[in-house]
Amino acid sequence: NAGVTQTPKFRVLKTGQSMTLLCAQDMNHEYMYWYRQDPGMGLRLIHYSVGEGTTAKGEVPDGYNVSRLKKQNFLLGLESAAPSQTSVYFCASRFRTGQGEQYFGPGTRLTVT
Amino acid sequence: GQQVMQIPQYQHVQEGEDFTTYCNSSTTLSNIQWYKQRPGGHPVFLIQLVKSGEVKKQKRLTFQFGEAKKNSSLHITATQTTDVGTYFCAGPAETSGSRLTFGEGTQLTVNP
Repeated sequence: NAGVTQTPKFRVLKTGQSMTLLCAQDMNHEYMYWYRQDPGMGLRLIHYSVGEGTTAKGEVPDGYNVSRLKKQNFLLGLESAAPSQTSVYFCASRFRTGQGEQYFGPGTRLTVT
Repeated sequence: GQQVMQIPQYQHVQEGEDFTTYCNSSTTLSNIQWYKQRPGGHPVFLIQLVKSGEVKKQKRLTFQFGEAKKNSSLHITATQTTDVGTYFCAGPAETSGSRLTFGEGTQLTVNP
């Protein structure tokens, strides 16, 4: 099992450019999450999904969109990147039942200049 | 809204010293989870506590959940360089149990 994978690992964008981050999990998890991590601010939830075809907003959703067309994939889109979106982005997933532990991907380091 | 706070933000210790991080929630939690993130790595689940007053141990790590289920602590006995990293607590969000609210984390450095 690969667990949770993220592509790309690194990316540099110019202000106004768009991009999509891909998260894939092979554990048959129902729930998936996108977080951003900034120094001293912990993990902040951007969007999440409790099942295929469903998405919901987290704490900091502005400037991002998501889609979950397949159970194993969760895409995070930036339509018009801004320097404030420079961050490390983590995807996570978990089973709907059980103790609720989240499994994190390795992260994507995004710089917007 | 719900807040989960951790103290201290940073802790530097000499190898062999003990370390404790504290987590406080503004609301009562049904459970609390702890994660560890090594430098340059991703968060990894350590443990979940569910019962009021619960204490769990993992080798040199001791986790406690407060009686009121609003606070928790992680204590490491005799730290080693392998303990370096950031420790996060997290509790179910007040508005949705399918989400977690993370504390800001405590960054631990260990001097050999």
